[in-house]
Amino acid sequence: DQQVKQNSPSLSVQEGRISILNCDYTNSMFDYFLWYKKYPAEGPTFLISISSIKDKNEDGRFTVFLNKSAKHLSLHIVPSQPGDSAVYFCAARGIGTYKYIFGTGTRLKVLA
Amino acid sequence: DSGVTQTPKHLITATGQRVTLRCSPRSGDLSVYWYQQSLDQGLQFLIQYYNGEERAKGNILERFSAQQFPDLHSELNLSSLELGDSALYFCASSPGTSGVGEQFFGPGTRLTVL
Repeated sequence: DQQVKQNSPSLSVQEGRISILNCDYTNSMFDYFLWYKKYPAEGPTFLISISSIKDKNEDGRFTVFLNKSAKHLSLHIVPSQPGDSAVYFCAARGIGTYKYIFGTGTRLKVLA
Repeated sequence: DSGVTQTPKHLITATGQRVTLRCSPRSGDLSVYWYQQSLDQGLQFLIQYYNGEERAKGNILERFSAQQFPDLHSELNLSSLELGDSALYFCASSPGTSGVGEQFFGPGTRLTVL
Protein backbone atom coordinates (compact mmCIF):
# COMPACT_ATOMS: atom_id res chain seq x y z
CA ASP A 1 0.00 0.00 0.00
CA GLN A 2 1.79 3.06 -1.28
CA GLN A 3 0.93 5.97 1.00
CA VAL A 4 2.92 8.46 -1.05
CA LYS A 5 2.39 8.32 -4.78
CA GLN A 6 4.08 9.92 -7.72
CA ASN A 7 1.86 8.88 -10.58
CA SER A 8 4.00 10.27 -13.38
CA PRO A 9 7.12 8.17 -13.85
CA SER A 10 8.59 10.70 -16.27
CA LEU A 11 8.24 14.26 -17.50
CA SER A 12 9.91 16.20 -20.33
CA VAL A 13 10.06 19.98 -20.36
CA GLN A 14 11.74 22.55 -22.57
CA GLU A 15 14.54 24.58 -21.07
CA GLY A 16 13.22 27.85 -19.64
CA ARG A 17 9.70 26.56 -19.11
CA ILE A 18 8.06 25.50 -15.87
CA SER A 19 8.38 21.96 -14.57
CA ILE A 20 5.60 20.74 -12.30
CA LEU A 21 6.10 17.53 -10.39
CA ASN A 22 3.21 16.07 -8.46
CA CYS A 23 2.84 13.91 -5.41
CA ASP A 24 -0.29 12.56 -3.73
CA TYR A 25 -0.59 11.06 -0.29
CA THR A 26 -3.30 9.01 1.30
CA ASN A 27 -2.59 9.47 4.98
CA SER A 28 -3.52 12.65 6.82
CA MET A 29 -1.06 11.81 9.54
CA PHE A 30 1.93 13.41 7.84
CA ASP A 31 3.33 16.63 9.23
CA TYR A 32 6.32 17.35 7.06
CA PHE A 33 7.03 16.94 3.37
CA LEU A 34 10.28 17.10 1.45
CA TRP A 35 11.53 16.91 -2.11
CA TYR A 36 14.79 15.23 -3.03
CA LYS A 37 16.63 15.16 -6.33
CA LYS A 38 18.70 12.20 -7.42
CA TYR A 39 21.31 12.01 -10.15
CA PRO A 40 22.50 8.62 -11.47
CA ALA A 41 25.07 6.89 -9.28
CA GLU A 42 24.53 9.38 -6.46
CA GLY A 43 22.39 9.45 -3.36
CA PRO A 44 19.35 11.74 -3.18
CA THR A 45 20.01 15.35 -2.24
CA PHE A 46 17.59 17.57 -0.40
CA LEU A 47 15.82 20.28 -2.38
CA ILE A 48 13.07 21.88 -0.39
CA SER A 49 10.61 21.09 2.37
CA ILE A 50 7.29 22.25 3.72
CA SER A 51 5.53 21.86 7.02
CA SER A 52 1.91 20.78 7.04
CA ILE A 53 0.92 24.09 8.61
CA LYS A 54 1.98 25.96 5.49
CA ASP A 55 0.71 25.86 1.94
CA LYS A 56 3.70 27.24 0.09
CA ASN A 57 7.44 27.41 0.45
CA GLU A 58 9.82 29.01 -2.00
CA ASP A 59 13.56 28.74 -2.46
CA GLY A 60 14.99 30.35 -5.55
CA ARG A 61 13.69 28.56 -8.63
CA PHE A 62 11.94 25.92 -6.53
CA THR A 63 8.51 26.29 -4.97
CA VAL A 64 6.58 23.60 -3.15
CA PHE A 65 2.80 23.83 -2.80
CA LEU A 66 0.77 21.82 -0.33
CA ASN A 67 -2.98 21.29 -0.71
CA LYS A 68 -4.03 19.48 2.44
CA SER A 69 -7.66 19.07 1.49
CA ALA A 70 -6.63 17.32 -1.72
CA LYS A 71 -3.69 15.56 -0.05
CA HIS A 72 -1.55 16.83 -2.88
CA LEU A 73 1.95 18.21 -3.04
CA SER A 74 3.63 19.77 -6.05
CA LEU A 75 7.09 21.06 -6.88
CA HIS A 76 7.44 23.87 -9.39
CA ILE A 77 10.77 24.60 -11.02
CA VAL A 78 10.96 27.91 -12.87
CA PRO A 79 12.79 28.32 -15.15
CA SER A 80 13.82 24.74 -15.82
CA GLN A 81 17.45 24.14 -16.71
CA PRO A 82 19.15 21.12 -18.30
CA GLY A 83 21.00 20.52 -15.02
CA ASP A 84 17.63 19.92 -13.36
CA SER A 85 17.33 16.65 -15.29
CA ALA A 86 17.19 14.03 -12.55
CA VAL A 87 14.79 11.81 -10.63
CA TYR A 88 12.71 13.70 -8.08
CA PHE A 89 11.32 12.01 -4.98
CA CYS A 90 8.75 13.40 -2.62
CA ALA A 91 8.78 12.20 0.96
CA ALA A 92 6.40 12.55 3.89
CA ARG A 93 7.05 12.19 7.60
CA GLY A 94 4.54 10.57 9.89
CA ILE A 95 3.40 12.76 12.77
CA GLY A 96 5.36 11.94 15.90
CA THR A 97 7.55 9.42 14.10
CA TYR A 98 11.02 9.36 12.70
CA LYS A 99 9.93 7.64 9.51
CA TYR A 100 9.89 9.17 6.08
CA ILE A 101 7.85 7.52 3.35
CA PHE A 102 9.12 8.15 -0.14
CA GLY A 103 7.30 8.13 -3.44
CA THR A 104 8.58 6.11 -6.39
CA GLY A 105 10.06 9.13 -8.13
CA THR A 106 9.51 11.11 -11.32
CA ARG A 107 12.25 11.32 -13.91
CA LEU A 108 12.49 14.88 -15.21
CA LYS A 109 14.21 15.59 -18.49
CA VAL A 110 14.82 19.22 -19.40
CA LEU A 111 15.43 19.60 -23.10
CA ALA A 112 17.89 22.22 -24.29
CA ASP B 1 29.61 15.33 -1.74
CA SER B 2 27.17 14.88 1.14
CA GLY B 3 29.84 13.86 3.63
CA VAL B 4 28.20 10.45 4.12
CA THR B 5 30.32 7.53 2.99
CA GLN B 6 29.19 4.02 2.22
CA THR B 7 31.25 0.94 1.51
CA PRO B 8 31.40 -1.05 -0.59
CA LYS B 9 30.00 0.64 -3.70
CA HIS B 10 29.11 -2.66 -5.31
CA LEU B 11 28.60 -6.12 -3.88
CA ILE B 12 27.86 -9.31 -5.78
CA THR B 13 27.06 -12.42 -3.82
CA ALA B 14 25.05 -15.61 -3.97
CA THR B 15 21.73 -16.61 -2.46
CA GLY B 16 21.97 -17.79 1.10
CA GLN B 17 25.01 -15.66 1.88
CA ARG B 18 25.45 -12.89 4.41
CA VAL B 19 26.84 -9.42 3.76
CA THR B 20 27.59 -6.30 5.77
CA LEU B 21 27.13 -2.80 4.44
CA ARG B 22 28.91 0.04 6.17
CA CYS B 23 28.02 3.69 6.59
CA SER B 24 29.90 6.63 8.07
CA PRO B 25 27.64 9.61 8.76
CA ARG B 26 28.58 13.25 8.31
CA SER B 27 30.79 14.59 11.02
CA GLY B 28 28.64 15.54 13.99
CA ASP B 29 25.47 13.81 12.80
CA LEU B 30 23.99 11.52 15.42
CA SER B 31 21.18 9.94 13.41
CA VAL B 32 21.67 7.29 10.76
CA TYR B 33 18.93 5.94 8.50
CA TRP B 34 18.96 2.96 6.16
CA TYR B 35 16.84 2.73 3.02
CA GLN B 36 16.37 0.11 0.33
CA GLN B 37 15.60 1.02 -3.28
CA SER B 38 14.56 -1.87 -5.48
CA LEU B 39 14.13 -1.54 -9.23
CA ASP B 40 11.49 1.08 -10.10
CA GLN B 41 10.58 1.48 -6.45
CA GLY B 42 10.84 4.40 -4.11
CA LEU B 43 13.13 4.40 -1.16
CA GLN B 44 11.82 2.04 1.50
CA PHE B 45 12.72 3.08 5.01
CA LEU B 46 14.36 0.24 6.92
CA ILE B 47 15.61 1.53 10.24
CA GLN B 48 16.93 4.56 12.11
CA TYR B 49 19.52 4.84 14.86
CA TYR B 50 20.24 7.81 17.04
CA ASN B 51 23.46 7.95 19.02
CA GLY B 52 23.72 4.20 19.15
CA GLU B 53 20.09 3.44 19.92
CA GLU B 54 17.41 2.18 17.60
CA ARG B 55 14.74 4.87 17.15
CA ALA B 56 12.45 3.73 14.38
CA LYS B 57 11.82 0.63 12.38
CA GLY B 58 10.28 0.42 8.96
CA ASN B 59 9.85 -2.47 6.59
CA ILE B 60 12.97 -4.28 7.68
CA LEU B 61 12.99 -8.04 7.28
CA GLU B 62 13.92 -10.27 10.19
CA ARG B 63 16.88 -11.49 8.12
CA PHE B 64 18.25 -7.95 8.22
CA SER B 65 19.76 -6.25 11.23
CA ALA B 66 21.65 -3.07 11.89
CA GLN B 67 23.63 -1.36 14.59
CA GLN B 68 25.29 1.96 15.27
CA PHE B 69 28.65 1.92 16.99
CA PRO B 70 30.09 4.35 19.56
CA ASP B 71 31.99 6.17 16.80
CA LEU B 72 28.56 6.62 15.14
CA HIS B 73 29.26 4.56 12.06
CA SER B 74 26.58 2.05 11.24
CA GLU B 75 26.41 -1.37 9.68
CA LEU B 76 23.51 -3.11 7.97
CA ASN B 77 23.72 -6.89 8.02
CA LEU B 78 21.77 -8.86 5.46
CA SER B 79 21.65 -12.64 5.88
CA SER B 80 20.15 -15.64 4.09
CA LEU B 81 20.13 -13.49 1.01
CA GLU B 82 17.47 -13.99 -1.64
CA LEU B 83 17.32 -12.81 -5.24
CA GLY B 84 14.75 -10.21 -4.23
CA ASP B 85 17.22 -8.54 -1.91
CA SER B 86 19.08 -7.20 -4.92
CA ALA B 87 18.74 -3.44 -4.60
CA LEU B 88 20.45 -0.18 -3.87
CA TYR B 89 20.93 0.38 -0.17
CA PHE B 90 21.28 3.97 0.97
CA CYS B 91 22.43 5.31 4.25
CA ALA B 92 21.52 8.84 5.32
CA SER B 93 22.41 10.93 8.33
CA SER B 94 21.02 13.97 10.06
CA PRO B 95 22.12 16.02 13.05
CA GLY B 96 19.27 15.33 15.43
CA THR B 97 16.76 12.73 16.38
CA SER B 98 13.53 14.34 15.37
CA GLY B 99 13.98 13.59 11.72
CA VAL B 100 12.60 17.00 10.85
CA GLY B 101 14.66 18.53 8.14
CA GLU B 102 16.86 17.15 5.51
CA GLN B 103 18.73 13.93 5.59
CA PHE B 104 22.09 13.67 3.88
CA PHE B 105 22.41 10.59 1.74
CA GLY B 106 25.44 8.56 0.86
CA PRO B 107 26.04 7.31 -2.69
CA GLY B 108 24.59 3.90 -1.93
CA THR B 109 25.73 0.30 -2.10
CA ARG B 110 24.45 -1.73 -5.02
CA LEU B 111 23.84 -5.30 -3.93
CA THR B 112 23.38 -8.00 -6.54
CA VAL B 113 22.33 -11.44 -5.37
CA LEU B 114 22.85 -14.18 -7.97
